Amino acid sequence: GAVVSQHPSWVICKSGTSVKIECRSLDFQATTMFWYRQFPKQSLMLMATSNEGSKATYEQGVEKDKFLINHASLTLSTLTVTSAHPEDSSFYICSAREPQETQYFGPGTRLLVL
Amino acid sequence: GENVEQHPSTLSVQEGDSAVIKCTYSDSASNYFPWYKQELGKRPQLIIDIRSNVGEKKDQRIAVTLNKTAKHFSLHITETQPEDSAVYFCAASEYGNKLVFGAGTILRVKS
Repeated sequence: GAVVSQHPSWVICKSGTSVKIECRSLDFQATTMFWYRQFPKQSLMLMATSNEGSKATYEQGVEKDKFLINHASLTLSTLTVTSAHPEDSSFYICSAREPQETQYFGPGTRLLVL
Repeated sequence: GENVEQHPSTLSVQEGDSAVIKCTYSDSASNYFPWYKQELGKRPQLIIDIRSNVGEKKDQRIAVTLNKTAKHFSLHITETQPEDSAVYFCAASEYGNKLVFGAGTILRVKS
């Protein structure tokens, strides 16, 4: 299957700082990437859909000014958690969709805000 | 919008037995149904998917069935092994749209 990478794999930061997470499709061009948040023992919660060259579409209840998404190229999307607080601590996972629709996930980023 | 329900939430089976996980969806326009396996702390991995133009698909010990009329689809794992222990998620989408995931099933295979 296709390969999606995510960086960093884990990050610890102080409250009030911003954190940027990168998602890359390594062997295919992804016109659409997705960002999810997953709490322990829970399902994947879609935060936003990122389309290359256009503004992201955010799910209801997700603050777009809090979670900034940029999809500048067909292989890279970034999620920036601005002014992070302890409640933002979570497992963030991106996915990228092949043209045939199959969606492949990155390895996830574990964020801990102190 | 689409709503996907998944059952059971936990499933324990003896090694070698079969495991079945069932999902129902609400939007009749959905036509793509993947299944993902997620091990603790790792990424969800696609294990099998089915599109609405077929009723069944098999890949070695794993099979998925789809009943469009009833709007439900199921994952079947035969001859379960300890390494099959993980969380399994079903999902549904209409072509080109976002995936909607079920709540997940924790599968434990006891040796």
